[in-house]
Amino acid sequence: GAGVSQSPRYKVAKRGQDVALRCDPISGHVSLFWYQQALGQGPEFLTYFQNEAQLDKSGLPSDRFFAERPEGSVSTLKIQRTQQEDSAVYLCASGLGGATYGYTFGSGTRLTVV
Amino acid sequence: GDSVTQMEGPVTLSEEAFLTINCTYTATGYPSLFWYVQYPGEGLQLLLKATKADDKGSNKGFEATYRKETTSFHLEKGSVQVSDSAVYFCALSDDYKLSFGAGTTVTVRA
Repeated sequence: GAGVSQSPRYKVAKRGQDVALRCDPISGHVSLFWYQQALGQGPEFLTYFQNEAQLDKSGLPSDRFFAERPEGSVSTLKIQRTQQEDSAVYLCASGLGGATYGYTFGSGTRLTVV
Repeated sequence: GDSVTQMEGPVTLSEEAFLTINCTYTATGYPSLFWYVQYPGEGLQLLLKATKADDKGSNKGFEATYRKETTSFHLEKGSVQVSDSAVYFCALSDDYKLSFGAGTTVTVRA
């Protein structure tokens, strides 16, 4: 597609529920990122994929967070046993290489844990 | 670790006013510097970038110069329009990972 597509656009989860957030990057983009953006803050890095390889997961806040990109295209961010502090906008970005090439961001999934 | 500090908002301006958003950074190496913009209801978009000291990035009338001596990358525009209303994020990267500032909300009134 023309841009990075994320679904769902909004998600409300009860505390303790598992959620899965999907990202469809731009076709051919080898780099894929997940960021977490709390209200009024800048995006915080979660994890980075180059094709199907997860090269950096240092930003994942706990072992409840898991990301995958099995075929080097679509990626899923899974959060198990959601907690209120997980409420945020989750952004996906893709690119052709490093940061200086520029990344294209999706519109994000707004997760609210109640 | 590497970090970015940018001017707190919100900033409200009249059309055709001059806009400056301050951004300073802390980094151990020689990062590339970026300004991203988020228009209402849209995803983050790269506005401009600079990859080494004294480089000037420019786009859509916005400019920012990479100042190593003051570790700064201030964003400027000489005459803003209502369509420039958005949230602006300063960011840096050593390689692939972007580190963002908290964002500055800019509202331009007609």
